Amino acid sequence: NAGVMQNPRHLVRRRGQEARLRCSPMKGHSHVYWYRQLPEEGLKFMVYLQKENIIDESGMPKERFSAEFPKEGPSILRIQQVVRGDSAAYFCASSPKGQNNQPQHFGDGTRLSIL
Amino acid sequence: QQQVKQSPQSLIVQKGGISIINCAYENTAFDYFPWYQQFPGKGPALLIAIRPDVSEKKEGRFTISFNKSAKQFSLHIMDSQPGDSATYFCAASLYSGAGSYQLTFGKGTKLSVIP
Repeated sequence: NAGVMQNPRHLVRRRGQEARLRCSPMKGHSHVYWYRQLPEEGLKFMVYLQKENIIDESGMPKERFSAEFPKEGPSILRIQQVVRGDSAAYFCASSPKGQNNQPQHFGDGTRLSIL
Repeated sequence: QQQVKQSPQSLIVQKGGISIINCAYENTAFDYFPWYQQFPGKGPALLIAIRPDVSEKKEGRFTISFNKSAKQFSLHIMDSQPGDSATYFCAASLYSGAGSYQLTFGKGTKLSVIP
């Protein structure tokens, strides 16, 4: 499967625990975007990364959320001390370049449930 | 100012009919307008996209109509089929000023095509 791979597909955490969501972009893509989708809502931009760099994190909550895209390995979205309101589907997208005419290709998401 | 308003929220169309979904935006800085199709449990898949210098784009049974002066664009699905039943999202992209092109999504339209 040459598409964007996200894991786990489903993640259950108790309040106060940490959630780590992983995203492997399409082959040849070096630009990764993370979005959050609440039920019955559209996707909301969170953060944009290139390899080893966070380019735009304007959509990410200032506390408890962090993202990285190391030189080797997948991009990671990390949520510390999760709360009920963090329950959502988190989608990762990748593109070959960070330009406007480059379509973003999405993975199938991680559904995060907080007990 | 960065909102994209999508309507209707849900749509039921007879097989063979035309499905029409509308979106409106305020920010004239948006310069790329993709439509995504999402099936339950899956990530959004790019369907078709248009730039504001074009009034119409057609790919197979899918057509985007774009009205720059009205700041509106719409998706038409001709000869709708039960397999088209999904949630459709319009989106708009602009340069965030922080190094990325952010997609702003509408809230989605749940399309049901009945036999």
